[in-house]
Amino acid sequence: GENVEQHPSTLSVQEGDSAVIKCTYSDSASNYFPWYKQELGKGPQLIIDIRSNVGEKKDQRIAVTLNKTAKHFSLHITETQPEDSAVYFCAASISAASKLTFGTGTRLQVTL
Amino acid sequence: GAGVSQSPSNKVTEKGKDVELRCDPISGHTALYWYRQRLGQGLEFLIYFQGNSAPDKSGLPSDRFSAERTGESVSTLTIQRTQQEDSAVYLCASSLVRGSEQYFGPGTRLTVT
Repeated sequence: GENVEQHPSTLSVQEGDSAVIKCTYSDSASNYFPWYKQELGKGPQLIIDIRSNVGEKKDQRIAVTLNKTAKHFSLHITETQPEDSAVYFCAASISAASKLTFGTGTRLQVTL
Repeated sequence: GAGVSQSPSNKVTEKGKDVELRCDPISGHTALYWYRQRLGQGLEFLIYFQGNSAPDKSGLPSDRFSAERTGESVSTLTIQRTQQEDSAVYLCASSLVRGSEQYFGPGTRLTVT
């Protein structure tokens, strides 16, 4: 089955700096790669996703890149703000409606 | 509109007791998923319902775990003879059939004492 690894487990950046979180996956059949943000006491919320037919996707301060050959994908947050502090999870599946395999999460702390 | 809701939000039970967790998906979503999130860890897939098809139970950790869903509405996850290692947050998500993302509920925090 699919295995997703995520690094780093914790990340602290100063407000305004960029943050990068990286994930690798094992199943070449995976075609859908979402990123979720989870705030304390809440369920994960989708922030951006990418499908295997594109290499990069951007939404304001958030971007995701995908390298299918190397089986890795990354989340980039620019101009970080305190409200970006949360736990971020990457995931992979064969389609958006299939079961997701999650990484272990990255706790991002944005300091003033 | 209303999102995915789950109840109870918190549940404390004694070891050996049975528990039922409830999930109300977004109206019109045909797919429903249960995940388990242990403290400080990622989400583990448990079970997946898609319309009237046979559910994908491949993630259930033991036969003490079971889930039901009536049509395209509410689902219940049942854990029998709870053990301390069952303590976790149980998350439910729903999605439309084709190509759309999974929307998560707030979860039920289960504590087995």
